[in-house]
Amino acid sequence: QAVVTQEPSLTVSPGGTVTLTCGSSTGTVTSGHYPYWFQQKPGQAPRTLIYDTSNKHSWTPARFSGSLLGGKAALTLSGAQPEDEAEYYCLLAYSGVQVFGGGTKLTVL
Amino acid sequence: QVQLQESGPGLVKPSQTLSLTCSVSGDSVNSANYYWSWIRQPAGKGLEWIGRIYTSGRTNYNPSLKSRVTISLDTSKNQFSLQLNSVTATDTAVYYCAGGQTGSGCYSLWGQGTLVTVSS
Repeated sequence: QAVVTQEPSLTVSPGGTVTLTCGSSTGTVTSGHYPYWFQQKPGQAPRTLIYDTSNKHSWTPARFSGSLLGGKAALTLSGAQPEDEAEYYCLLAYSGVQVFGGGTKLTVL
Repeated sequence: QVQLQESGPGLVKPSQTLSLTCSVSGDSVNSANYYWSWIRQPAGKGLEWIGRIYTSGRTNYNPSLKSRVTISLDTSKNQFSLQLNSVTATDTAVYYCAGGQTGSGCYSLWGQGTLVTVSS
């Protein structure tokens, strides 16, 4: 089974920009992996921020964007807010089977 | 709006079967192009994808759990279910149901999660 890798932790300053990445043990991440990005705060269920690489839901703040970058899926946060401090998970699809990354703990400090 | 709600026993004995249901309100589990999924999260750990079922009844499972998992639809009750056989303490986790339509985000909907503890 493929392994999906994320940075364990990142720190961003309020108002700053940070990019989280999502890599695959099988090689380059493409749009065919249908990358998802989820945000989870303590004690809450995850919520989807980005689906199919770069699509946003109505509830996704405009400061979040998804892309493919350097062979990985990427989530960029531009203009970080204190409420963005959370755990972020990516999810990749492998011919129907989905695999989560280990998560990135994002600190806004 | 569509909402999901998990239900089932909070305590299961080792070697027994874990059974959870996810009730869907606001739409039909039979509606076109929906994926209905189960995800779990052990305390303090990351998310693990268990599997999903498509509106057509086609399923995909996590290979590491495939021999023990069944996900099914119950259209008469407008819900979908998870069965996990031969559980051990390592199956203790918060279990989430999720859903969504292809092209609109297959995980746009989430239940609040339910804690299942495996213990004698």
